[in-house]
Amino acid sequence: DVKVTQSSRYLVKRTGEKVFLECVQDMDHENMFWYRQDPGLGLRLIYFSYDVKMKEKGDIPEGYSVSREKKERFSLILESASTNQTSMYLCASIPDLNSGNTIYFGEGSWLTVV
Amino acid sequence: QKEVEQNSGPLSVPEGAIASLNCTYSDRGSQSFFWYRQYSGKSPELIMSIYSNGDKEDGRFTAQLNKASQYVSLLIRDSQPSDSATYLCAVNTQGGSEKLVFGKGTKLTVNP
Repeated sequence: DVKVTQSSRYLVKRTGEKVFLECVQDMDHENMFWYRQDPGLGLRLIYFSYDVKMKEKGDIPEGYSVSREKKERFSLILESASTNQTSMYLCASIPDLNSGNTIYFGEGSWLTVV
Repeated sequence: QKEVEQNSGPLSVPEGAIASLNCTYSDRGSQSFFWYRQYSGKSPELIMSIYSNGDKEDGRFTAQLNKASQYVSLLIRDSQPSDSATYLCAVNTQGGSEKLVFGKGTKLTVNP
């Protein structure tokens, strides 16, 4: 089974802090994604990466950056956390979108910014 | 922006009934369609995928796809209280870098 691991499940951070959310997948997948999920707004794509050191903006990249130095690891960075970034963050991976594979999610990271 | 639309619900059905969940999408080039189930406080889990027009059945679940109408649905037969969850429709988008776009989800409650 594909395993996507988000090491930080519950975090509380102060406004202005730098926050790192880490995600690791163990199936050598090319593509990795970061979503955030908020009530009534569904899953919104923040950034995705289709290869090491490659990244593309999703629908709501403002206030976020990402890092993919190794294939298995995709990090989401909040340079200066704000209260409107309080949310549940989901990491996901998939080998190849064109092949009809589906996306697999981590368990989620609940971030509260106070 | 490529869009995926779902009725937000909530949808409430009695135990044993058929629950019908609907989804429309805007990108005519989309080829892959997925239904995810998400329990409160949990991450989404895949329950069905469909790639060609028609019906696909898996146990109590049936996915239906109509590419001409840009419509995909999920039927849950003999609904159980354990089916109570939010159901997310997801569609791959073409053009530029391919990615998966999710609807906002439909909350289903199955009443005993």
